[in-house]
Amino acid sequence: GENVEQHPSTLSVQEGDSAVIKCTYSDSASNYFPWYKQELGKRPQLIIDIRSNVGEKKDQRIAVTLNKTAKHFSLHITETQPEDSAVYFCAARINTPLVFGKGTRLSVIA
Amino acid sequence: AAGVIQSPRHLIKEKRETATLKCYPIPRHDTVYWYQQGPGQDPQFLISFYEKMQSDKGSIPDRFSAQQFSDYHSELNMSSLELGDSALYFCASSGTGQGEEETQYFGPGTRLLVL
Repeated sequence: GENVEQHPSTLSVQEGDSAVIKCTYSDSASNYFPWYKQELGKRPQLIIDIRSNVGEKKDQRIAVTLNKTAKHFSLHITETQPEDSAVYFCAARINTPLVFGKGTRLSVIA
Repeated sequence: AAGVIQSPRHLIKEKRETATLKCYPIPRHDTVYWYQQGPGQDPQFLISFYEKMQSDKGSIPDRFSAQQFSDYHSELNMSSLELGDSALYFCASSGTGQGEEETQYFGPGTRLLVL
């Protein structure tokens, strides 16, 4: 089955700096890659997603890039703010169930 | 906009008891997923339903069962509860097809504590 690895597990950045989280997946048939943000005790919330027919997608301060050949995708957050502090999960999907990475705890230091 | 509804939000049970978690998907969503998330862990897929039929099965224990009803709500039944079942249980829903319809939206979760 699909396996998703996510790095780093923790990330601290100064407010205003950029943050990059990277994920790799194992199954080349995966075609959908969402990113979720989860605050403590709350639901995962979709922040951006990308499909395998697209190499990059941007939404304001958030961008995702996908390299199908290398089977990796990355989340880029620019101009980080304290409210960006949370756990971020990448995921990959072939058919219906999502396979999640282990998560990255992002801390934005004011 | 309407979101996924889960009930109860919190549940405390003793070992060997049973529990039933309910999920009401976003209107017009026909697919429901159940995930289990332990403390500090990523969500683990348990089971999913499409049009009231089981569509995929993940790491759901044999002690658990689930179904989707004619109104598309779903229930996760958990029997012979163990301490290790203590976790956040999320339900997510999506439509079918490609594009925005396939996006999974998560409910607020049910926090289950087994004592």
